Amino acid sequence: DSGVTQTPKHLITATGQRVTLRCSPRSGDLSVYWYQQSLDQGLQFLIHYYNGEERAKGNILERFSAQQFPDLHSELNLSSLELGDSALYFCASSLTEKLNTEAFFGQGTRLTVV
Amino acid sequence: EDKVVQSPLSLVVHEGDTVTLNCSYEVTNFRSLLWYKQEKKAPTFLFMLTSSGIEKKSGRLSSILDKKELFSILNITATQTGDSAIYLCAVSPTGAQKLVFGQGTRLTINP
Repeated sequence: DSGVTQTPKHLITATGQRVTLRCSPRSGDLSVYWYQQSLDQGLQFLIHYYNGEERAKGNILERFSAQQFPDLHSELNLSSLELGDSALYFCASSLTEKLNTEAFFGQGTRLTVV
Repeated sequence: EDKVVQSPLSLVVHEGDTVTLNCSYEVTNFRSLLWYKQEKKAPTFLFMLTSSGIEKKSGRLSSILDKKELFSILNITATQTGDSAIYLCAVSPTGAQKLVFGQGTRLTINP
């Protein structure tokens, strides 16, 4: 158990809908990273938050947004869902702002858009 | 654009064999390279490498980095069925708060 908690574990929803994925980082970790893993693309970096502030953006669509709250948990909001958004969404956390230590991954949320 | 390429993409061997997984990278201002093992869900950390030529070892697994040739290898000796997994290589560029992942190598160990 990495100490990173993601909910829900599975989510099935229809195209056009909006969902929210939740992540609680390891105790003491200030950084939260979101990644998307689809079958053909591998793990793709979406966005990074450090202590409540956005620090870096990767291949994140405009239909997606995220935030990190004062208690350091983070939410990833996915809207106007398309079939191609079906993937495993991972959250990872680390202690510092810079990735000079390992990042710990949650178990992921498997999103299926039908 | 930062890029990480792993090879082979898939490997099937017999229990007891030794395997070598490869990871090459092109990244601006390299900081570190990390190896992860992904079995069912969450990638779990194996090694972080920052210096060339220094082997990191954990049991039957070892890894080394060559910063001149821009690659790393992950060795697994005396493989066991429990080593079956996807092995992911990722690079962290300096100043960038992210990991750039390769496609992974799917390793299958047959009894």
